[in-house]
Amino acid sequence: EAQVTQNPRYLITVTGKKLTVTCSQNMNHEYMSWYRQDPGLGLRQIYYSMNVEVTDKGDVPEGYKVSRKEKRNFPLILESPSPNQTSLYFCASSLAEASPLHFGNGTRLTVT
Amino acid sequence: GNSVTQMEGPVTLSEEAFLTINCTYTATGYPSLFWYVQYPGEGLQLLLKATKADDKGSNKGFEATYRKETTSFHLEKGSVQVSDSAVYFCALSDPTYTGRRALTFGSGTRLQVQP
Repeated sequence: EAQVTQNPRYLITVTGKKLTVTCSQNMNHEYMSWYRQDPGLGLRQIYYSMNVEVTDKGDVPEGYKVSRKEKRNFPLILESPSPNQTSLYFCASSLAEASPLHFGNGTRLTVT
Repeated sequence: GNSVTQMEGPVTLSEEAFLTINCTYTATGYPSLFWYVQYPGEGLQLLLKATKADDKGSNKGFEATYRKETTSFHLEKGSVQVSDSAVYFCALSDPTYTGRRALTFGSGTRLQVQP
Protein backbone atom coordinates (compact mmCIF):
# COMPACT_ATOMS: atom_id res chain seq x y z
CA GLU A 1 0.00 0.00 0.00
CA ALA A 2 1.31 3.42 -1.00
CA GLN A 3 1.79 5.50 2.10
CA VAL A 4 3.72 8.07 4.07
CA THR A 5 4.58 6.80 7.54
CA GLN A 6 5.42 9.08 10.43
CA ASN A 7 6.59 8.07 13.88
CA PRO A 8 5.75 8.57 16.60
CA ARG A 9 2.07 9.56 16.44
CA TYR A 10 2.25 11.25 19.84
CA LEU A 11 5.26 12.67 21.67
CA ILE A 12 5.53 14.56 24.94
CA THR A 13 8.92 15.96 25.82
CA VAL A 14 10.59 18.69 27.84
CA THR A 15 12.26 21.89 26.75
CA GLY A 16 15.75 21.38 25.36
CA LYS A 17 15.66 17.61 24.90
CA LYS A 18 16.61 16.77 21.33
CA LEU A 19 14.09 14.72 19.37
CA THR A 20 13.60 13.29 15.91
CA VAL A 21 10.35 12.62 14.09
CA THR A 22 10.80 10.08 11.32
CA CYS A 23 9.09 10.10 7.95
CA SER A 24 9.26 7.42 5.30
CA GLN A 25 7.49 7.01 1.96
CA ASN A 26 7.27 3.91 -0.20
CA MET A 27 6.25 5.56 -3.47
CA ASN A 28 9.71 6.53 -4.75
CA HIS A 29 8.72 10.19 -4.58
CA GLU A 30 11.36 12.82 -5.18
CA TYR A 31 9.67 15.65 -3.31
CA MET A 32 9.12 15.60 0.45
CA SER A 33 8.07 18.26 2.90
CA TRP A 34 7.26 18.95 6.54
CA TYR A 35 4.35 21.06 7.74
CA ARG A 36 3.03 22.13 11.09
CA GLN A 37 -0.65 22.65 11.75
CA ASP A 38 -1.81 25.13 14.37
CA PRO A 39 -5.36 26.26 15.18
CA GLY A 40 -6.43 29.18 13.03
CA LEU A 41 -3.20 29.15 11.01
CA GLY A 42 -3.73 26.25 8.65
CA LEU A 43 -0.62 24.40 7.54
CA ARG A 44 2.75 26.08 7.30
CA GLN A 45 5.73 24.59 5.54
CA ILE A 46 8.84 24.03 7.66
CA TYR A 47 11.32 22.46 5.22
CA TYR A 48 11.16 20.71 1.91
CA SER A 49 13.39 18.53 -0.22
CA MET A 50 13.41 18.30 -4.00
CA ASN A 51 15.61 15.19 -4.00
CA VAL A 52 18.34 13.36 -2.10
CA GLU A 53 20.76 15.79 -0.48
CA VAL A 54 18.68 18.78 -1.65
CA THR A 55 16.77 20.55 1.12
CA ASP A 56 15.57 24.09 1.61
CA LYS A 57 13.71 26.24 4.11
CA GLY A 58 9.98 26.70 4.02
CA ASP A 59 8.01 29.43 5.73
CA VAL A 60 8.80 28.58 9.36
CA PRO A 61 12.20 26.79 9.53
CA GLU A 62 13.53 28.30 12.77
CA GLY A 63 14.30 25.68 15.40
CA TYR A 64 14.15 22.75 13.00
CA LYS A 65 16.60 20.70 10.94
CA VAL A 66 16.08 18.07 8.28
CA SER A 67 18.18 15.67 6.27
CA ARG A 68 17.61 13.67 3.08
CA LYS A 69 20.27 11.00 2.83
CA GLU A 70 17.95 8.50 1.19
CA LYS A 71 15.07 9.08 -1.16
CA ARG A 72 12.48 7.41 1.08
CA ASN A 73 13.35 9.07 4.41
CA PHE A 74 13.05 12.67 5.53
CA PRO A 75 13.43 13.04 9.32
CA LEU A 76 12.58 16.23 11.18
CA ILE A 77 14.99 17.12 13.98
CA LEU A 78 14.37 19.49 16.85
CA GLU A 79 17.77 20.10 18.46
CA SER A 80 16.42 22.06 21.42
CA PRO A 81 12.61 21.98 21.47
CA SER A 82 10.70 24.86 23.00
CA PRO A 83 7.03 25.12 24.05
CA ASN A 84 6.18 27.20 20.94
CA GLN A 85 6.97 24.10 18.87
CA THR A 86 4.03 22.29 20.42
CA SER A 87 1.98 21.48 17.34
CA LEU A 88 0.67 18.83 14.97
CA TYR A 89 3.29 17.92 12.37
CA PHE A 90 2.73 16.39 8.95
CA CYS A 91 5.15 14.90 6.50
CA ALA A 92 4.15 14.84 2.84
CA SER A 93 5.57 13.61 -0.44
CA SER A 94 4.83 13.86 -4.14
CA LEU A 95 6.12 12.32 -7.32
CA ALA A 96 7.07 15.66 -8.81
CA GLU A 97 6.53 19.33 -8.22
CA ALA A 98 3.15 19.52 -9.95
CA SER A 99 1.81 16.27 -8.48
CA PRO A 100 -0.63 16.01 -5.58
CA LEU A 101 0.82 15.67 -2.09
CA HIS A 102 0.44 12.50 -0.04
CA PHE A 103 0.35 13.17 3.68
CA GLY A 104 1.26 11.06 6.67
CA ASN A 105 -1.17 10.74 9.58
CA GLY A 106 0.60 13.30 11.69
CA THR A 107 2.67 13.55 14.87
CA ARG A 108 1.24 15.45 17.79
CA LEU A 109 4.14 16.99 19.72
CA THR A 110 3.85 18.58 23.15
CA VAL A 111 6.85 20.41 24.61
CA THR A 112 6.57 21.31 28.31
CA GLY B 1 2.85 37.27 -0.68
CA ASN B 2 0.31 34.59 -1.41
CA SER B 3 -2.65 33.93 0.82
CA VAL B 4 -5.78 31.82 1.00
CA THR B 5 -8.85 32.88 2.94
CA GLN B 6 -11.57 30.44 3.91
CA MET B 7 -14.86 30.95 5.66
CA GLU B 8 -14.76 30.40 9.41
CA GLY B 9 -16.23 27.25 10.79
CA PRO B 10 -17.66 25.15 12.06
CA VAL B 11 -20.29 24.68 9.41
CA THR B 12 -23.13 22.54 10.73
CA LEU B 13 -25.59 21.01 8.28
CA SER B 14 -28.24 18.35 8.26
CA GLU B 15 -27.79 15.30 6.07
CA GLU B 16 -28.74 15.92 2.42
CA ALA B 17 -28.30 19.69 2.74
CA PHE B 18 -26.40 21.73 0.15
CA LEU B 19 -22.84 22.66 1.05
CA THR B 20 -20.80 25.70 0.09
CA ILE B 21 -17.43 26.49 1.63
CA ASN B 22 -16.01 29.77 0.38
CA CYS B 23 -12.37 30.18 -0.60
CA THR B 24 -10.65 33.23 -2.05
CA TYR B 25 -6.97 33.69 -2.80
CA THR B 26 -4.28 36.18 -3.65
CA ALA B 27 -1.29 35.12 -5.70
CA THR B 28 1.43 36.76 -7.73
CA GLY B 29 1.32 34.30 -10.62
CA TYR B 30 -1.14 31.82 -12.06
CA PRO B 31 -1.58 29.26 -9.30
CA SER B 32 -3.05 25.82 -9.23
CA LEU B 33 -5.85 25.48 -6.70
CA PHE B 34 -6.70 22.54 -4.47
CA TRP B 35 -9.14 21.32 -1.89
CA TYR B 36 -7.80 18.89 0.69
CA VAL B 37 -9.89 17.03 3.27
CA GLN B 38 -8.74 15.91 6.72
CA TYR B 39 -10.81 13.24 8.47
CA PRO B 40 -10.43 12.88 12.26
CA GLY B 41 -7.04 11.49 13.26
CA GLU B 42 -5.74 11.37 9.71
CA GLY B 43 -3.54 13.37 7.40
CA LEU B 44 -4.80 15.51 4.57
CA GLN B 45 -6.02 13.91 1.37
CA LEU B 46 -6.37 15.62 -1.97
CA LEU B 47 -10.07 16.04 -2.73
CA LEU B 48 -9.93 17.90 -6.04
CA LYS B 49 -7.83 20.35 -8.00
CA ALA B 50 -7.92 22.85 -10.87
CA THR B 51 -4.88 24.11 -12.71
CA LYS B 52 -6.19 27.00 -14.80
CA ALA B 53 -8.98 29.52 -14.98
CA ASP B 54 -12.50 28.12 -15.56
CA ASP B 55 -11.36 24.58 -14.81
CA LYS B 56 -13.79 22.60 -12.64
CA GLY B 57 -12.41 20.03 -10.26
CA SER B 58 -14.72 17.29 -9.02
CA ASN B 59 -14.55 14.19 -6.85
CA LYS B 60 -16.93 12.23 -4.60
CA GLY B 61 -19.80 14.62 -5.42
CA PHE B 62 -17.77 17.70 -4.51
CA GLU B 63 -17.07 20.40 -7.10
CA ALA B 64 -15.11 23.64 -7.29
CA THR B 65 -14.56 26.03 -10.20
CA TYR B 66 -11.42 28.15 -10.64
CA ARG B 67 -12.71 31.71 -11.01
CA LYS B 68 -9.86 34.04 -11.92
CA GLU B 69 -12.06 37.13 -12.16
CA THR B 70 -13.21 36.77 -8.56
CA THR B 71 -10.05 34.94 -7.34
CA SER B 72 -12.24 32.25 -5.83
CA PHE B 73 -12.43 28.47 -5.63
CA HIS B 74 -15.58 27.70 -3.64
CA LEU B 75 -16.29 24.09 -2.68
CA GLU B 76 -19.82 22.77 -3.24
CA LYS B 77 -21.73 19.56 -2.76
CA GLY B 78 -25.38 19.05 -3.54
CA SER B 79 -26.23 16.62 -0.75
CA VAL B 80 -23.89 16.06 2.19
CA GLN B 81 -23.65 12.89 4.24
CA VAL B 82 -22.57 12.29 7.82
CA SER B 83 -19.40 10.71 6.43
CA ASP B 84 -18.44 14.09 4.91
CA SER B 85 -17.79 15.48 8.39
CA ALA B 86 -14.18 16.61 8.30
CA VAL B 87 -11.95 19.66 8.02
CA TYR B 88 -11.59 21.09 4.52
CA PHE B 89 -8.55 23.08 3.42
CA CYS B 90 -8.30 25.29 0.39
CA ALA B 91 -4.76 25.65 -0.96
CA LEU B 92 -2.80 27.11 -3.83
CA SER B 93 0.49 26.31 -5.51
CA ASP B 94 2.24 29.26 -7.11
CA PRO B 95 4.69 28.42 -9.93
CA THR B 96 6.44 31.80 -9.57
CA TYR B 97 8.29 30.33 -6.61
CA THR B 98 11.16 29.08 -8.72
CA GLY B 99 12.65 25.84 -7.45
CA ARG B 100 10.27 25.74 -4.59
CA ARG B 101 6.88 24.13 -4.43
CA ALA B 102 5.13 25.50 -1.42
CA LEU B 103 1.47 25.04 -0.96
CA THR B 104 -0.20 27.96 0.77
CA PHE B 105 -3.06 26.66 2.88
CA GLY B 106 -6.13 28.31 4.21
CA SER B 107 -6.90 27.91 7.90
CA GLY B 108 -9.40 25.12 7.31
CA THR B 109 -13.17 24.88 7.71
CA ARG B 110 -14.69 22.21 9.92
CA LEU B 111 -17.87 20.64 8.54
CA GLN B 112 -20.23 18.81 10.86
CA VAL B 113 -23.09 16.90 9.27
CA GLN B 114 -25.89 15.78 11.55
CA PRO B 115 -28.15 12.81 10.78
